[in-house]
Amino acid sequence: DQQVKQNSPSLSVQEGRISILNCDYTNSMFDYFLWYKKYPAEGPTFLISISSIKDKNEDGRFTVFLNKSAKHLSLHIVPSQPGDSAVYFCAASSVGAGGTSYGKLTFGQGTILTVHP
Amino acid sequence: EAGVAQSPRYKIIEKRQSVAFWCNPISGHATLYWYQQILGQGPKLLIQFQNNGVVDDSQLPKDRFSAERLKGVDSTLKIQPAKLEDSAVYLCASSRTPRTSGQETQYFGPGTRLLVL
Repeated sequence: DQQVKQNSPSLSVQEGRISILNCDYTNSMFDYFLWYKKYPAEGPTFLISISSIKDKNEDGRFTVFLNKSAKHLSLHIVPSQPGDSAVYFCAASSVGAGGTSYGKLTFGQGTILTVHP
Repeated sequence: EAGVAQSPRYKIIEKRQSVAFWCNPISGHATLYWYQQILGQGPKLLIQFQNNGVVDDSQLPKDRFSAERLKGVDSTLKIQPAKLEDSAVYLCASSRTPRTSGQETQYFGPGTRLLVL
């Protein structure tokens, strides 16, 4: 039961161009979405997040878009840099308003991004 | 501030042996998580502690896995006896006290890579 899916195992992009990583989810209870970045032999590092009350969140070169009706989110990296080469994980959680969130994250399988100089 | 510490970084054991992993979360973080990441998949939550109490252990194989968090700080995860399919990276993460809305960022340690032969 894969509730969060990243259907592209890998993506290759030229330095300076845009990288677009995609993620789909099936659980309509998810209302908070995150992207994590992982280098080899290291733990995942938080990159950017978005609440379901928004459809876009931007932080420097990174922008996350959320399409609730399609249960789809994407991460845009502009411009891409060789140091962005890593595995990117999409994750989702159910937070809810007025209730306590214990922060359980459900992760996708990850997409390997390679940015060529 | 110091990050999440885990040890050992690597472990190789024979099937049916036992193994233990240790995690020291970021100081002051009340919530601690253990994830299992099998090659080619995203991290999967095994168990979540709030201080020294278990919040969620629904995906922990309790016939062979156990975890404890003494005094609400360090935590150990044990596998006894190990099976071949337990080969994976075991990630520990921590976050601050959960809020009633929003999502506290989870900070991950480098992980312990386990190989069961």
